Amino acid sequence: TQLLEQSPQFLSIQEGENLTVYCNSSSVFSSLQWYRQEPGEGPVLLVTVVTGGEVKKLKRLTFQFGDARKDSSLHITAAQPGDTGLYLCGIWDSWGKLQFGAGTQVVVTP
Amino acid sequence: GAVVSQHPSRVICKSGTSVKIECRSLDFQATTMFWYRQFPKQSLMLMATSNEGSKATYEQGVEKDKFLINHASLTLSTLTVTSAHPEDSSFYICSARDPTSGYNEQFFGPGTRLTVL
Repeated sequence: TQLLEQSPQFLSIQEGENLTVYCNSSSVFSSLQWYRQEPGEGPVLLVTVVTGGEVKKLKRLTFQFGDARKDSSLHITAAQPGDTGLYLCGIWDSWGKLQFGAGTQVVVTP
Repeated sequence: GAVVSQHPSRVICKSGTSVKIECRSLDFQATTMFWYRQFPKQSLMLMATSNEGSKATYEQGVEKDKFLINHASLTLSTLTVTSAHPEDSSFYICSARDPTSGYNEQFFGPGTRLTVL
């Protein structure tokens, strides 16, 4: 079974629209990370959330960590074509390995 | 953030040959590196953990004799795909954990596209 459930799997929107990606689990995490990966490249770390209820902003991206530290969301405001990519949430498992959700493919068309 | 490089970025080889992929941490020392495999439009699947000075630990289902990992120094890990077959064609990505950064941050290389003919 997957440690992290990401949804939706695929999201196609027009430039200027908003979108939200979700990452959920039945387990409690000490921290959670969000990455973006563009085709043919490695993932790039966007943010690490640590505290329950925490909200972090990175320009038009807003990251939230659930109060119970079991879920997180990524919200993009006024999406642009440059936001296109595979968004991955990741957590450290009990063996100290970074495990990823299935990913959300976001496509923003002009 | 920290920089991790991979070489080569792309390799095409014939079936039955072996291919070596290098992963380097450029501005920090990494006692632990990780190797992932990614199929098109899918997430990253952890293959193995590379530990400097000791044997790698492999995830369930990953053949250690096929995917040889060597972590020769604190800045270099190599993955050798032995006797490659077309089904080994994939995108291989390494990452390194920077022990000096907070929250066990892990930085990824740009990946290596392996095509086995």
